[in-house]
Amino acid sequence: EPEVTQTPSHQVTQMGQEVILRCVPISNHLYFYWYRQILGQKVEFLVSFYNNEISEKSEIFDDQFSVERPDGSNFTLKIRSTKLEDSAMYFCASSETRRNEKLFFGSGTQLSVL
Amino acid sequence: AQSVTQLDSQVPVFEEAPVELRCNYSSSVSVYLFWYVQYPNQGLQLLLKYLSGSTLVKGINGFEAEFNKSQTSFHLRKPSVHISDTAEYFCAVMDGYRSTLTFGKGTMLLVSP
Repeated sequence: EPEVTQTPSHQVTQMGQEVILRCVPISNHLYFYWYRQILGQKVEFLVSFYNNEISEKSEIFDDQFSVERPDGSNFTLKIRSTKLEDSAMYFCASSETRRNEKLFFGSGTQLSVL
Repeated sequence: AQSVTQLDSQVPVFEEAPVELRCNYSSSVSVYLFWYVQYPNQGLQLLLKYLSGSTLVKGINGFEAEFNKSQTSFHLRKPSVHISDTAEYFCAVMDGYRSTLTFGKGTMLLVSP
C-alpha cells in the first residue's frame, strides 16, 4: 500500500532555532495536511494545502509556521523560531480528495525543543 | 466548533474478551466519523469510517462501530480482542462543510494474556 513518508523521525532542537519537517505525500494526492499531537493531548489540525496554497489553517498556525511544496514531491513544515511549547509529534497527511474519505498519515516526526 | 470526547484514556482487557471504546461528538447537521489506530512507533491508520447509509460500519481487523445520531455517539467495538490490538485508538469527526478532522484525545487499549 502507498504510504506517506516523514523525515526525520526524531528532531531535537534548541529554543529559538528554525526547524524544517519533511514529508513526501502519496504521489497522486492533491491535498496535504499537517497535524500535531502534544504529549497527552489531542491530535490537532494545523494547516491544509492545495494547489500550492494554504486552504485552511488553525489558530495554532501563526506567523512562526509556514508550509511549502518546493519541488512537487516534498511537503515541508517550517517553524521559524521554535518555542518549548512546539514540542510535539507532527503528522503529515495527504488525500486524493478534499473530503478526507481516505486520508493517509505518515508515522510522524517527534520534535523536542530544549 | 466540533469537539470529540473519548471518556476513557485507557482500557485494559484480557485477550479474547469483547471491548467497546466510547466516542461522543458535538452535534452538527452533517458529520463524517472516523476511527484511527496508532500502533507503537507508527502513524495513524484508518480503521473505519461513517459517511452515510447504514449506521453499523465494519472496518479492518474485526472492528465495527455504530453511528447513533440521537446520542451523538460512534462507539467502537470488537467481540474478541487479540494481543496485537494493543494500540491507541482515536475517534475523529469532520463536519460536512470542512475538510479538516477534529480528533478526540485517544484511548489506549491494553490487551493482556
